[in-house]
Amino acid sequence: AIQLTQSPSSLSASVGDRVTITCRASQGIGSALAWYQQKPGKPPKLLIYDASSLQSGVPSSFSGSGSGTKFTLTISSLQPEDFATYYCQQFTGSPYTFGQGTKLDIK
Amino acid sequence: QVQLVESGGGVVQPGRSLRLSCAASGFTFSSAAMHWVRQAPGKGLEWVAVISYDGTKRYYVDSVKGRFSISRDDSKNTLYVQMNSLRAEDTAVYYCARYSGTYGFDYWGQGTLVTVSS
Repeated sequence: AIQLTQSPSSLSASVGDRVTITCRASQGIGSALAWYQQKPGKPPKLLIYDASSLQSGVPSSFSGSGSGTKFTLTISSLQPEDFATYYCQQFTGSPYTFGQGTKLDIK
Repeated sequence: QVQLVESGGGVVQPGRSLRLSCAASGFTFSSAAMHWVRQAPGKGLEWVAVISYDGTKRYYVDSVKGRFSISRDDSKNTLYVQMNSLRAEDTAVYYCARYSGTYGFDYWGQGTLVTVSS
């Protein structure tokens, strides 16, 4: 099974900061990767699909890049509502594994 | 609008069974691959199972193989997961999710909590 490793596991930042979260796959997955945001008590929300495509309705401050084994999610200017946990997920085949998550909180 | 509503969660003893349902609306259910994802309390997301749009393909995470069975009833726009031989480690919020077709789950239900405890 393909493993996804996110770094960092947690991150403290301030409103207005630029942050980057990395997701590394144990083997190449092309662009078959999504990023989600999850807030406590809520289901995940799709942010980025196909590694770099912005889901409809998601602010343009979010962007994704990468292919193969290294991917990044970047938030260009943090807003108060962006403090949440972020997950990557791969779609090359079963099991459709998630990364362990990155918790982003306010510094 | 697209809606996914899970039901069927609750408290169950180890070794017993439970069936979860996910009622879908607002899209052509019979055209969508559907997934179950779970999240243990305070933990990350774990993909559980998928069923293809036509029901011919079903895949599971190793930890539930032989115990869980995913199915769908397109006449009722409903996704199911039959969970047998439940264990304490199956305790989680279970979400159903729609595969968008382009490497992402674009719609999720609100989740239903399953607690396996004696």
